[in-house]
Amino acid sequence: GNSVTQMEGPVTLSEEAFLTINCTYTATGYPSLFWYVQYPGEGLQLLLKATKADDKGSNKGFEATYRKETTSFHLEKGSVQVSDSAVYFCALIQANQAGTALIFGKGTTLSVSS
Amino acid sequence: EAGVTQFPSHSVIEKGQTVTLRCDPISGHDNLYWYRRVMGKEIKFLLHFVKESKQDESGMPNNRFLAERTGGTYSTLKVQPAELEDSGVYFCASSRVTSSTEQFFGPGTRLTVL
Repeated sequence: GNSVTQMEGPVTLSEEAFLTINCTYTATGYPSLFWYVQYPGEGLQLLLKATKADDKGSNKGFEATYRKETTSFHLEKGSVQVSDSAVYFCALIQANQAGTALIFGKGTTLSVSS
Repeated sequence: EAGVTQFPSHSVIEKGQTVTLRCDPISGHDNLYWYRRVMGKEIKFLLHFVKESKQDESGMPNNRFLAERTGGTYSTLKVQPAELEDSGVYFCASSRVTSSTEQFFGPGTRLTVL
């Protein structure tokens, strides 16, 4: 079945450090891929997405590239800020089934200190 | 526009009691989803409404869970009787049309069963 695996946290970084959160997936066909973020006390927010191979999603300085050959969608940011402290979830929707469920990874907690 | 809202934000109940969670989707969104995150695990899909109809309820864990969306507006999720393993965060999400891959999430309800 479809699944998402992301690196275990917590990830603890100093401000301005480089961030990578690994995400790999298992799916048939060509799923759409997402990163959601949950800031403390808030709901999940879509951070970025990519819908086909080699697409790069980007938002707020974060980037992720859809790599079909490695079935990966790693999240990166060149210089993290304290305000980026949150839980990050990688997710997918199976292609051609856009009305169905998101499949999530376990989430990675990021803590950034000044 | 107002986002997805959920009530209550936190509920603590005894095993065997009943709890009802409520979700108000974004106005005009026909699609409403319930998800659950048990401690340290993935966010998992429970069910999907299109207007007042259940499109997919394959993620509902057992018959102690009952979801309704009368009138196609807000939705309730009732757990009766609650068990210890039902503890977790229950998220609601909505989207405007079934073909949309972007789901907008509420802040979640944290349910603790003692």
